[in-house]
Amino acid sequence: DTGVSQDPRHKITKRGQNVTFRCDPISEHNRLYWYRQTLGQGPEFLTYFQNEAQLEKSRLLSDRFSAERPKGSFSTLEIQRTEQGDSAMYLCASSSTGLNTEAFFGQGTRLTVV
Amino acid sequence: AQKITQTQPGMFVQEKEAVTLDCTYDTSDPSYGLFWYKQPSSGEMIFLIYQGSYDQQNATEGRYSLNFQKARKSANLVISASQLGDSAMYFCAMREPLRSGYALNFGKGTSLLVTP
Repeated sequence: DTGVSQDPRHKITKRGQNVTFRCDPISEHNRLYWYRQTLGQGPEFLTYFQNEAQLEKSRLLSDRFSAERPKGSFSTLEIQRTEQGDSAMYLCASSSTGLNTEAFFGQGTRLTVV
Repeated sequence: AQKITQTQPGMFVQEKEAVTLDCTYDTSDPSYGLFWYKQPSSGEMIFLIYQGSYDQQNATEGRYSLNFQKARKSANLVISASQLGDSAMYFCAMREPLRSGYALNFGKGTSLLVTP
């Protein structure tokens, strides 16, 4: 399988716990994106990497959210001190460089905070 | 600021019929790109079709075509010969420029149900 893969697919956590999600992009893609999707809404952009550089992080929802892409390959999204409002689908996407190139999405990680 | 509007929360279509899913947009940028994605119940967003603002012709990809009316700021997706497997959420999105690169700005989506 050469698509974008995300792990885990589902995560249930207690309020206040930290969670970390992993994304493995398509290997030749240097751009990587994280989105959040809540029920009944379209995906909402969170952050973006080109290679290992995080070029946009102002849309991360709070300082409890952070993302890394240490070697320009896989990425992790961490949420600290989770709240019930963090329950959502977290989607990762990757693309090659170019204005008209489409982004390829993974199947997402569904987070439930109880 | 950009805005993507999908006014149809849900649509029904009979198998083998054509269906049009509406998308209107607003942007002050003269150069922009519009995308349509399909999201089945499995969760993955599947790219369907792209239309650039300067493209001379409406985009087509197999059974998918885009009815692009620039003056009306609409980019409706037309699915011909619907199949049961087309049942899914459909999202219209616009390319949103970032300081370096771009992200996608999505509408709320339209749920399509194809009936036998």
